[in-house]
Amino acid sequence: NAGVTQTPKFQVLKTGQSMTLQCAQDMNHEYMSWYRQDPGMGLRLIHYSVGAGITDQGEVPNGYNVSRSTTEDFPLRLLSAAPSQTSVYFCASRGLAGGSDTQYFGPGTRLTVL
Amino acid sequence: DAKTTQPPSMDCAEGRAANLPCNHSTISGNEYVYWYRQIHSQGPQYIIHGLKNNETNEMASLIITEDRKSSTLILPHATLRDTAVYYCIVKGGGADGLTFGKGTHLIIQP
Repeated sequence: NAGVTQTPKFQVLKTGQSMTLQCAQDMNHEYMSWYRQDPGMGLRLIHYSVGAGITDQGEVPNGYNVSRSTTEDFPLRLLSAAPSQTSVYFCASRGLAGGSDTQYFGPGTRLTVL
Repeated sequence: DAKTTQPPSMDCAEGRAANLPCNHSTISGNEYVYWYRQIHSQGPQYIIHGLKNNETNEMASLIITEDRKSSTLILPHATLRDTAVYYCIVKGGGADGLTFGKGTHLIIQP
């Protein structure tokens, strides 16, 4: 199993540009989520999904869109990038059975907005 | 979810046991204690979790006090590769994600 994969690893954008961060998992997990991590800080939840066709907002959703058309994929879209969105973005997934919150994280995408 | 308090940093000699404390005095009865770690610039990695009883797996042991207001993560024989930020997270059910604080930066000294 590849686990959780994210592309690209690095990205530089200009203010106002749009882009999509890709996330995929091969563990058949129902739950997927996106976090951002700013320097010296813990991770903050952006959006999450409990299954295909279902998404919801986390702590810091403004400026980001998500969709979940398949179990495997959960892309994160930046509609109009701003310097405040410079961060490291992590995708995570977990199964919903058993009630535990054991999440598997991807390697991250490092985004710089100029 | 209950708030947690961890020391910002700790040192431990290689080969010794690393004991990382966490206070969670407002924990509710249905909330679990989770430990994750983040090695420099990588994605967080799950270590262990527990509700009431002490737990052990191939990576670590988790000791939870009887009143559940604090816990200790034990890495029995720390290696240089265990240098990382360790996060103690308290969470009940629900889909609202994990709340990461600033964690404890554990530095393993050779």
